[in-house]
Amino acid sequence: QVQLQESGPGLVKPSQTLSLTCTVSGGSISSGSYYWSWIRQPAGKGLEWIGRIYTSGSTNYNPSLKSRVTISVDTSKNQFSLKLSSVTAADTAVYYCARSEGPSGYYDYWGQGTLVTVSS
Amino acid sequence: DIQMTQSPSTLSASVGDRVTITCRASQSISSWLAWYQQKPGKAPKLLIYKASSLESGVPSRFSGSGSGTEFTLTISSLQPDDFATYYCQQYNSYSVFTFGPGTKVDIK
Repeated sequence: QVQLQESGPGLVKPSQTLSLTCTVSGGSISSGSYYWSWIRQPAGKGLEWIGRIYTSGSTNYNPSLKSRVTISVDTSKNQFSLKLSSVTAADTAVYYCARSEGPSGYYDYWGQGTLVTVSS
Repeated sequence: DIQMTQSPSTLSASVGDRVTITCRASQSISSWLAWYQQKPGKAPKLLIYKASSLESGVPSRFSGSGSGTEFTLTISSLQPDDFATYYCQQYNSYSVFTFGPGTKVDIK
């Protein structure tokens, strides 16, 4: 059973960089044709897709966030990471990592989510 | 980018009711649509993929239909565990995915 677990600071100051890591267990991040994604959800609002990475390093990003987002993968640690720069209060949200199968996919496994608050 | 809308935004229903939620895409997405259920404080749970395929372990009272730009999620007989928020997601585009705004199903 694949499990995903987000980790990282729960509080980030405005203008700084938000950094989160998703650790995958129960299977190799490199096996199969899986893409690994970040999705966020502000309190009381809907889901926003941030971006994804394939284990080759190929990435896709939401155009609205592209200039500030970097997603990377570390296959040796079975982890992938999110960096979001120049954060503001609008970036306060629960951040989820998730897995999709294939280049065009739906999300069958999700992490539990981690709340990141942007505040001074 | 493909935009997704859902209707209604909130739905009040009783246990045993048949419930239908509609999701519309701003352009054709063939059958590349998924439905998720989310409960407060929890991650979304996949219910339906490819518009009408039931995810393993999901009760058969959930069904999906549609193609192109209009899709529906139906719960044939609403159960107490089904009160939640439901999201559709398009994955037609290989580079950008989008979710609908959600439909909250609450107790009438």
